[in-house]
Amino acid sequence: NAGVTQTPKFQVLKTGQSMTLQCAQDMNHNSMYWYRQDPGMGLRLIYYSASEGTTDKGEVPNGYNVSRLNKREFSLRLESAAPSQTSVYFCASSEVGDSYNEQFFGPGTRLTVL
Amino acid sequence: KQEVTQIPAALSVPEGENLVLNCSFTDSAIYNLQWFRQDPGKGLTSLLLIQSSQREQTSGRLNASLDKSSGRSTLYIAASQPGDSATYLCAVPTLSGGYNKLIFGAGTRLAVHP
Repeated sequence: NAGVTQTPKFQVLKTGQSMTLQCAQDMNHNSMYWYRQDPGMGLRLIYYSASEGTTDKGEVPNGYNVSRLNKREFSLRLESAAPSQTSVYFCASSEVGDSYNEQFFGPGTRLTVL
Repeated sequence: KQEVTQIPAALSVPEGENLVLNCSFTDSAIYNLQWFRQDPGKGLTSLLLIQSSQREQTSGRLNASLDKSSGRSTLYIAASQPGDSATYLCAVPTLSGGYNKLIFGAGTRLAVHP
């Protein structure tokens, strides 16, 4: 049981390049999330998916797109990377429930945009 | 809008001390509160989740309390060890359209020295 996995672990891009960050979970969770973490700002939600086939914007969605490929996988795409997107990206998953909604996080992808 | 604040931002203590980390939130209508640990360059590990109906939750040397009415939670670490050195984050879920999104504090960076 691997939990939440993310690929790649590290990536360096040039401004304007595109890339897709991959995330998969094996806990049969319905909901999945993408966060970014920046120094002094904590984690901020980029996009989330309540269930397979649905996605919605979080706090900081500009410059990103997502795809919920199936129940296991949720990808984050940067179409034209900018230096402001240099960050650590975390994927998470949870069961959607009224009162029990613990989120489990992946190890992160460290992205640098030059 | 829910905001989460953690005090202090950083803490350095000698081994063996008992510690209290603080977390406050502006909207007391929460379902639960989650404490995480993050080691440098790593992902987030869930430590404790306190449901809104609970006053406290314990795991080993960790004890987390929750006072919804005052919008506060504390994480108590007993007999601190160098291995406790990490950043500790608290987070509360915000329900929007029935979907669960975590709002994070900026974290407390803890260093326990021998």
